[in-house]
Amino acid sequence: EIVLTQSPGTLSLSPGERTTLSCRASQSISSTYLAWYQQKPGQAPRLLIYGASSRATGIPDRFSGSGSGTDFTLTISRLEPEDFGVYYCQQYGSSVTWTFGQGTKVEIK
Amino acid sequence: QVQLVESGGGLVKPGGSLRLSCAASGFTFSDYYMSWIRQAPGKGLEWVSYISGSSSNTNYADSVKGRFTISRDNAKNSLFLQMNSLRAEDTAVYYCAREFCGGDCYLDYWGQGSLVTVSS
Repeated sequence: EIVLTQSPGTLSLSPGERTTLSCRASQSISSTYLAWYQQKPGQAPRLLIYGASSRATGIPDRFSGSGSGTDFTLTISRLEPEDFGVYYCQQYGSSVTWTFGQGTKVEIK
Repeated sequence: QVQLVESGGGLVKPGGSLRLSCAASGFTFSDYYMSWIRQAPGKGLEWVSYISGSSSNTNYADSVKGRFTISRDNAKNSLFLQMNSLRAEDTAVYYCAREFCGGDCYLDYWGQGSLVTVSS
């Protein structure tokens, strides 16, 4: 079973800052099966990035994803107030299962 | 527009049963695999189960295997999760989500969630 480990657990940042979130897989995975989601309090997760680097419909270009193999990153080039929340990476496994990382919380400093 | 609306959550005693529903609209429901994902209070996301468009394929997380059953009614654009032998650790918000797998695979639309509380 593939485990996704996200780091750091929490980021305290100010609007306008740039940040990079990490997602590390316990074994190599296909980048086509790596996605990122944003979740705000009391809301359902929202798809941000799929295929490791493609932005979902309506997602601003300040969000970008990259990586391959076991190391993937989500970068927010300039934080807006509405970007604060919890970010999850997720992979679709060969045994037809979905695995999520434990999440990175991005909070206002 | 795509909409997923869960219902059926509530308070149930340990060992009890509950059936969640997810009403889909805005897309050809039978063309898509669907999943249930849950989130315990203050915790992360956990995939629970998936079902293919024709219901021919299903799969479950080990934590619910043998207790939960996923099903769908394509004529009524509805997804279900029958939950039996419920435990305190099943307490969570349950989301239904649409799967898109066309090269890339991801969960592109989510419902707002339905809270299930297992407590005596």
